[in-house]
Amino acid sequence: NAGVMQNPRHLVRRRGQEARLRCSPVKGHSHVYWYRQLPEEGLKFMVYLQKENIIDESGMPKERFSAEFPKEGPSILRIQQVVRGDSAAYFCASSPSGGFYGYTFGSGTRLTVV
Amino acid sequence: ELKVEQNPLFLSMQEGKNYTIYCNYSTTSDRLYWYRQDPGKSLESLFVLLSNGAVKQEGRLMASLDTKARLSTLHITAAVHDLSATYFCAVDSKPGGGADGLTFGKGTHLIIQP
Repeated sequence: NAGVMQNPRHLVRRRGQEARLRCSPVKGHSHVYWYRQLPEEGLKFMVYLQKENIIDESGMPKERFSAEFPKEGPSILRIQQVVRGDSAAYFCASSPSGGFYGYTFGSGTRLTVV
Repeated sequence: ELKVEQNPLFLSMQEGKNYTIYCNYSTTSDRLYWYRQDPGKSLESLFVLLSNGAVKQEGRLMASLDTKARLSTLHITAAVHDLSATYFCAVDSKPGGGADGLTFGKGTHLIIQP
């Protein structure tokens, strides 16, 4: 069991470019969550997805950010026209069916916007 | 809006000493989680507390949950340097639990000095 795989681990983008962050959940997990962590802060919930469906995107900025979890392949968090304030660590977590058994976190993608 | 507050936010202690980290949350929740994060790393699940009065122990760490007081504690016994890390508590974001992500505290930065 490879756990939650995120790539890339580090991503540098210039202002105005697009950032694509990938997350492959634990095999058999159908629930995926994205979180953002600013320096010296806790994680902030962004979006919760199940296969092909966005269940809750209440934590996601209304503009420039989007997420998907297609039937096949990893979940993608997409940030268009990045700004310096988007610099953060983005973590993906998965669970088999809600949080009863806890959540498994990936190693994160550290995005730096220059 | 659910709020999760940890204290202290910073803690420096000597090896061999005992200490407790507190986690208060503002609305009813059935599940509380404790995670450890080392610098630049992902979150490692420590405990999932599922009911009032739940107590779990792993090595020098013990966690408890009082849902009536909306309080969880993480107790460290006879601290060792290897326990230096940031500890987060997190609560299911929706009352009654569910699969809608977690709300995190800001974390407690723990430094254990020889």
